[in-house]
Amino acid sequence: DTAVSQTPKYLVTQMGNDKSIKCEQNLGHDTMYWYKQDSKKFLKIMFSYNNKELIINETVPNRFSPKSPDKAHLNLHINSLELGDSAVYFCASSRRGATDTQYFGPGTRLTVL
Amino acid sequence: AQTVTQSQPEMSVQEAETVTLSCTYDTSESDYYLFWYKQPPSRQMILVIRQEAYKQQNATENRFSVNFQKAAKSFSLKISDSQLGDAAMYFCAYRKAAGNKLTFGGGTRVLVKP
Repeated sequence: DTAVSQTPKYLVTQMGNDKSIKCEQNLGHDTMYWYKQDSKKFLKIMFSYNNKELIINETVPNRFSPKSPDKAHLNLHINSLELGDSAVYFCASSRRGATDTQYFGPGTRLTVL
Repeated sequence: AQTVTQSQPEMSVQEAETVTLSCTYDTSESDYYLFWYKQPPSRQMILVIRQEAYKQQNATENRFSVNFQKAAKSFSLKISDSQLGDAAMYFCAYRKAAGNKLTFGGGTRVLVKP
């Protein structure tokens, strides 16, 4: 069974469109994250939610809005897509606590044309 | 702010040989965690090994081991008896003990020659 899943795996869209990426974890974790991996493979955190509460919000444009309907789901909505948004977006989850390790989803490759 | 540096963009190793990947980090914290993640061509991020800063003993997972030098802020990964399946990008990552955010290095690509 997949622990952290993301849909879709690939997303190709035009500039200016609005799109969403969904993430679900079945590990019973309290904390979920979104990371962005750019074309040079550099990975950087975007957001983190703990029990539906936003706890990390790095300097990400307002066009990106995470939504957590419950602690097993964390979706990422992107408005007015730009070319620079093309990247791989990873969802991850962890227990909250001193020993938590983050487990990653398979990633969503977003291509903005 | 914490930074993680991987100075080797690419490393090549012969199958069955050993390769060591370097990682240095900058932090003013005394308690933190360090990780190595593997990213094969499938793109999946897979945890390889984890080290708690308060532990002096180096972590080991089968053919993977680390050399953790806290004073030098160094955290290298050794892959022994390299296999073709070890070919991937390897990322070093840091997390404060009291935090959730992982800070990643730029990655090292490992090529395994048969």
